[in-house]
Amino acid sequence: NAGVMQNPRHLVRRRGQEARLRCSPMKGHSHVYWYRQLPEEGLKFMVYLQKENIIDESGMPKERFSAEFPKEGPSILRIQQVVRGDSAAYFCASSPRNIRGKLLFGSGTQLSVL
Amino acid sequence: GIQVEQSPPDLILQEGANSTLRCNFSDSVNNLQWFHQNPWGQLINLFYIPSGTKQNGRLSATTVATERYSLLYISSSQTTDSGVYFCAVGGSGGSNYKLTFGKGTLLTVNP
Repeated sequence: NAGVMQNPRHLVRRRGQEARLRCSPMKGHSHVYWYRQLPEEGLKFMVYLQKENIIDESGMPKERFSAEFPKEGPSILRIQQVVRGDSAAYFCASSPRNIRGKLLFGSGTQLSVL
Repeated sequence: GIQVEQSPPDLILQEGANSTLRCNFSDSVNNLQWFHQNPWGQLINLFYIPSGTKQNGRLSATTVATERYSLLYISSSQTTDSGVYFCAVGGSGGSNYKLTFGKGTLLTVNP
């Protein structure tokens, strides 16, 4: 039973390009959470999604960032027109329902914006 | 929101030593987890422990929810224990999924 899978592991973009980060939850999990780790700010919650629904996006920047979790396929975190300040590690976690137990993270995507 | 403070911020040990890491939080929680981020950046979940005591090998954790703190004990430390240890809490109520992370304790275990 594979864990939470994230790809790519490393992503390099130039300023103004788009970044797409993918997260495949553990088998049987229908809830996905995205967190961002900025160098000087630590790990922070971004968004919580269920299949085809955004439940809580209170941690998402208001502009350029969006997330989806379609009925089929992985969850996608999309960053449009990236800037250097978007450089960070982006982690995804999944659960079968609202958390009651260990939250298991994927290996993360390290985004570097040149 | 909930404030999470971890101490000490940095800790250097010789292999074989024991250590205690502390996590204080500012409000009632019903979700508390300890993580180890290894030097490769992976986040490993060590414990889900909103209250009580748990042990897993050389690691154990205790949360005293009424006094708003949690402790992580590492015994007989090994070089592979090096990394950053995070405490993360989720508040009571419907948003317990939204974990607030502390700034972490950077542990270095020297051979």
